[in-house]
Amino acid sequence: NAGVTQTPKFQVLKTGQSMTLQCAQDMNHEYMSWYRQDPGMGLRLIHYSVGAGITDQGEVPNGYNVSRSTTEDFPLRLLSAAPSQTSVYFCASSREGLDTQYFGPGTRLTVL
Amino acid sequence: AQSVAQPEDQVNVAEGNPLTVKCTYSVSGNPYLFWYVQYPNRGLQFLLKYITGDNLVKGSYGFEAEFNKSQTSFHLKKPSALVSDSALYFCAVRANTNAGKSTFGDGTTLTVKP
Repeated sequence: NAGVTQTPKFQVLKTGQSMTLQCAQDMNHEYMSWYRQDPGMGLRLIHYSVGAGITDQGEVPNGYNVSRSTTEDFPLRLLSAAPSQTSVYFCASSREGLDTQYFGPGTRLTVL
Repeated sequence: AQSVAQPEDQVNVAEGNPLTVKCTYSVSGNPYLFWYVQYPNRGLQFLLKYITGDNLVKGSYGFEAEFNKSQTSFHLKKPSALVSDSALYFCAVRANTNAGKSTFGDGTTLTVKP
């Protein structure tokens, strides 16, 4: 199993550009989440999904959109990038809502 | 709302000495508590979890954690630290009243010196 994969690993955007961060898992996990990690602020939940077709907002959802059309994939869309979205983004999945999460390797995003 | 506090940004210990990384939590309902470790430029890796049962939980790499319901704490411990334990440690909570949402602490950087 590849586990949780994320692409790209690095990305530089200009303010106002849009892009999609990809996340995929091959463990047939129902639950998937997106986090951002900023220095001294731990991981903050952006959006999460409890199954295909079902998503919900986390702690910091503004400026981000998600959809979950399949169990495997959970892409994160930045609609109009801002410098405040410069961060490291992690995708995670778990078999159930109270279970251990498995994390991807992260995407380091810089918005100029 | 649920929350996690890791009161120490940094913990320094000498190799061979015991280590403790502190975590307290606040949650409605029954807590499901986790410790994860992050090495530089890597994703988070699972160390151990408490769901129910024994208050002392044993995990990977010789780590253990003690759940204390009255103090709402879940401190991470290891009897004898290794230099290779140096990393960033996160405590996290999930609750049966809010399945799917995890809340993480801000992280504690552990440095083990030879």
